[in-house]
Amino acid sequence: GAVVSQHPSRVICKSGTSVKIECRSLDFQATTMFWYRQFPKKSLMLMATSNEGSKATYEQGVEKDKFLINHASLTLSTLTVTSAHPEDSSFYICSARDFLRQGFTDTQYFGPGTRLTVL
Amino acid sequence: DAKTTQPNSMESNEEEPVHLPCNHSTISGTDYIHWYRQLPSQGPEYVIHGLTSNVNNRMASLAIAEDRKSSTLILHRATLRDAAVYYCILLIQGGSEKLVFGKGTKLTVNP
Repeated sequence: GAVVSQHPSRVICKSGTSVKIECRSLDFQATTMFWYRQFPKKSLMLMATSNEGSKATYEQGVEKDKFLINHASLTLSTLTVTSAHPEDSSFYICSARDFLRQGFTDTQYFGPGTRLTVL
Repeated sequence: DAKTTQPNSMESNEEEPVHLPCNHSTISGTDYIHWYRQLPSQGPEYVIHGLTSNVNNRMASLAIAEDRKSSTLILHRATLRDAAVYYCILLIQGGSEKLVFGKGTKLTVNP
């Protein structure tokens, strides 16, 4: 159990276009999902915390108008990179907490990541 | 968020035990110690977590010092598939829920 999927796994786009990345919890409900970004040979950096039915909370320095997050259901959160530029090329990873186990553990289950390349 | 200190890298031989240390001298009483690992080109994977007592699961063991200022993740028999970056993270249970990833320890397992 506790599987998180991401789609697409890889995407290449032209500069100036927008890209949407989906994060789904397949076998559990997730009230809270997190979005991370990871540059080559670097650690994960939290971008935002997404709560179902409410606005996302962005970390300092992350542009909320550029990285649009929608958490419309307990199993789906989306990250849209708007007007992507080469410097947005990175590995984007989502994670989710298991709603039913909240209070027993803060374990996060991570997706496999999405490799974004902006030409 | 409380900080942790880990060695940048460690090496092990296959089928030998591996002890991955983590220092967290500023840990508070409500901080849980979590370990995650990240295999190349994949998302992180939960390994184990604990508060005060040593913990065991099918993946690893977590040994926590009596003063809680350090802990050690133990892989009892390393395999090539255990080669990954291991992250030691402090998390306040029921708090902000945010995992703050440091640089972690890159574990190399030699055949």
